[in-house]
Amino acid sequence: DSGVTQTPKHLITATGQRVTLRCSPRSGDLSVYWYQQSLDQGLQFLIQYYNGEERAKGNILERFSAQQFPDLHSELNLSSLELGDSALYFCASSVERGGGNYNEQFFGPGTRLTVL
Amino acid sequence: AQSVTQLGSHVSVSEGALVLLRCNYSSSVPPYLFWYVQYPNQGLQLLLKYTSAATLVKGINGFEAEFKKSETSFHLTKPSAHMSDAAEYFCAVSELRDDKIIFGKGTRLHILP
Repeated sequence: DSGVTQTPKHLITATGQRVTLRCSPRSGDLSVYWYQQSLDQGLQFLIQYYNGEERAKGNILERFSAQQFPDLHSELNLSSLELGDSALYFCASSVERGGGNYNEQFFGPGTRLTVL
Repeated sequence: AQSVTQLGSHVSVSEGALVLLRCNYSSSVPPYLFWYVQYPNQGLQLLLKYTSAATLVKGINGFEAEFKKSETSFHLTKPSAHMSDAAEYFCAVSELRDDKIIFGKGTRLHILP
């Protein structure tokens, strides 16, 4: 158990819908990262937040957005869902923002999103 | 730009045989390198990491990897495969100045009885 929690575990929805994935980081961790694992794209970095502010952006679609709240939990919002958005979405957390020292990222169990 | 190439999307070894999973990286600055394992229907677990200390890195479950700068490689090995090693393995890279982890496509390891 990494200490990172993600809810829900599974999510099934229809095309065109909007969903919210939730992540609670390990106690004391200020950085949250979101990754997408799909059959087509493999595992790719989406976005990082540090202490409530966006820190880095990867291959995140404009239909996707994220935020980190004052209690440090994070939400990933996916809208206008398409079949290709079906994937496993991982959240990870680390102590600091990095960019100078190695900070291990601890991964949650993931949320499996199925778009029908 | 950072990138990772894993040679072989599927590797099969017999139980008790040597496991060798190949990974080559590309990075413009000294990298951090990782191997993660993903068991079926589970999340990612860090096997081992290289963060510019010893070039031979020992991880969990008997795995180790050697950082070879001249070959830009970070191959994962285990002397004797066990049935419980069947999983998908991801090589990954990140840079000192950056936080995001770039993953390879993954190698699924099959253990033959």
